[in-house]
Amino acid sequence: SQTIHQWPATLVQPVGSPLSLECTVEGTSNPNLYWYRQAAGRGLQLLFYSVGIGQISSEVPQNLSASRPQDRQFILSSKKLLLSDSGFYLCAWSVTGSWGYTFGSGTRLTVV
Amino acid sequence: GQQLNQSPQSMFIQEGEDVSMNCTSSSIFNTWLWYKQDPGEGPVLLIALYKAGELTSNGRLTAQFGITRKDSFLNISASIPSDVGIYFCAGQLGNTPLVFGKGTRLSVIA
Repeated sequence: SQTIHQWPATLVQPVGSPLSLECTVEGTSNPNLYWYRQAAGRGLQLLFYSVGIGQISSEVPQNLSASRPQDRQFILSSKKLLLSDSGFYLCAWSVTGSWGYTFGSGTRLTVV
Repeated sequence: GQQLNQSPQSMFIQEGEDVSMNCTSSSIFNTWLWYKQDPGEGPVLLIALYKAGELTSNGRLTAQFGITRKDSFLNISASIPSDVGIYFCAGQLGNTPLVFGKGTRLSVIA
């Protein structure tokens, strides 16, 4: 069966420090991968998505970047965190032609 | 980009009451989905709808895909404390990314 792993679960980072959040999917090939951010326990904002290795689509220009070095690995990065980067980051996957996304358990990022 | 209007933003109900929430869009979708998010967790898919007019149930949950393809509702019957959470609607057109509503926060008072 397919599973999605996201880590770390929580992270406290100082302003100006780098960020790397990792997401991996098991049990499927060539998934579509997504990074969402959720602020204040409410709406889901799509940040990046990828339909294949090395392919990244950015939805919102900001202080973050994403990479997909392997088929089932999706990384969210920042060179210098801002206070406004705090939030709950969710990774998700889907398969083209099927419905719905499966979400990971999220990373709570607090920038101090 | 596309936006979904989800209402209400929050609800406080007594245990045992029925709940209704809905989503509307200015553009059409060919798939509507409803997710539930427990505190500190990722959203989990509750119901998926694929056809205009479709009515689908999953236990105490019932959802409908509006005939115009621009709206959907979710009903929860006889609410229980574990129904607490944030409910999101989401729409999809073709292979474009899902568009999510802003969520309905449900609180159940025992």
